[in-house]
Amino acid sequence: AQSVTQLGSHVSVSEGALVLLRCNYSSSVPPYLFWYVQYPNQGLQLLLKYTSAATLVKGINGFEAEFKKSETSFHLTKPSAHMSDAAEYFCAVSTNYGGSQGNLIFGKGTKLSVKP
Amino acid sequence: KAGVTQTPRYLIKTRGQQVTLSCSPISGHRSVSWYQQTPGQGLQFLFEYFSETQRNKGNFPGRFSGRQFSNSRSEMNVSTLELGDSALYLCASSLASGQGAHEQYFGPGTRLTVT
Repeated sequence: AQSVTQLGSHVSVSEGALVLLRCNYSSSVPPYLFWYVQYPNQGLQLLLKYTSAATLVKGINGFEAEFKKSETSFHLTKPSAHMSDAAEYFCAVSTNYGGSQGNLIFGKGTKLSVKP
Repeated sequence: KAGVTQTPRYLIKTRGQQVTLSCSPISGHRSVSWYQQTPGQGLQFLFEYFSETQRNKGNFPGRFSGRQFSNSRSEMNVSTLELGDSALYLCASSLASGQGAHEQYFGPGTRLTVT
């Protein structure tokens, strides 16, 4: 069975500071890992995904994440926070065995606040 | 390409009633998944449909059901509504050819309030 743990339900950074959102996963098979962002009253938007092609994954809006198998981690980073990054971020894991792609398992989410 | 659309966006129902939510996937996408989002439980997987067949189901009671039509549009139904069913219901579509990690594209959700 797969699971995802996001450390820190709230993270606050200053504008221009490094953003680091932590995600650890548990999976008995090679996982696919995703980061999604959700703005208030909206659905989820995919930031990036890991599919085993490269351990460092670059996404949209300057975000990137590094897959570390030894640490079972997939932390999301951005070198310089912008006010528009304030949102809730979700890490998710899935597997694609048997052809079923629907079962994304999400972490509880991390709400990012950006201070001017 | 148009994104995933969900109707209605907001809905208020009374306990004991039933409700039907609709989702239109991105053109060409054949897989549709549904998720429930609540402050307490977070995002939870309800079910997935592909080519009109339910392929995967989450741990929800039988009051929650769904279907998919030949044009890939999907509906989910909740019968005998309970207060705890108040949530944001999200639909996501993907290509889901069975190979690779196909990302899921989410709609804006339907906010259901049960009173």
